Amino acid sequence: EIVMTQYPATLSVSPGERATLSCRASQSVSTNLAWYQQKLGQAPRLLIHGASTRAIGIPGRFSGSGSGTEFTLTISSLQPEDFAVYYCQQYNVWPPTYTFGQGTKLEIK
Amino acid sequence: EVQLLQSGGGLVQPGGSLRLSCAASGFIFSSYPMAWVRQAPGKGLEWVSAVSAGGDRTYYADSVKGRFTISRDNSKNTLSLQMNSLRVDDTAVYFCAKLVVGMYFFDYWGQGTLVTVSS
Repeated sequence: EIVMTQYPATLSVSPGERATLSCRASQSVSTNLAWYQQKLGQAPRLLIHGASTRAIGIPGRFSGSGSGTEFTLTISSLQPEDFAVYYCQQYNVWPPTYTFGQGTKLEIK
Repeated sequence: EVQLLQSGGGLVQPGGSLRLSCAASGFIFSSYPMAWVRQAPGKGLEWVSAVSAGGDRTYYADSVKGRFTISRDNSKNTLSLQMNSLRVDDTAVYFCAKLVVGMYFFDYWGQGTLVTVSS
């Protein structure tokens, strides 16, 4: 089973600054990686898929990079609405299984 | 607009059963695989189960295999999760989610429904 590890667990950043969130896979997942944002009491929202492709309607300040085992989600200039928990998720093509990281909480500094 | 409206959930005793439903609209339901993902209180996300667009192929996490059954009714645009032999550690908010063609990731999510397993 592929284990996804996100770091740091909590990231404190000021509005307007850049945030960099990391995700590591225990073995290569190629670019089969997605990022989600979840606000308190809400369902997750897809941000990035294929490691670097923004989902429909996602602002350009969100970008993803990486392949293999190391991935990064960057938010270039934090807006108040960006403070939330972020999850990475890998997808195994066959058989279809999905593993999430434990999440990174992005909080206001 | 894609909408996934969930129903079911509630309080059940250990060993009991519960059925969750998810009514889909705003897309061609029969063309897309679907899934269930859960989140225990204060914890992260855990994939539970997935079903192919036609309903003929189903997949389960080891933690629920043999106890949960995913199904879909493409004539009614509805996804279901039958949960049997429920355990305390099944307590979670359960989300239905639409998968993209190819089953790679979840592009739309339902609002979630709480299942509490407790005596």
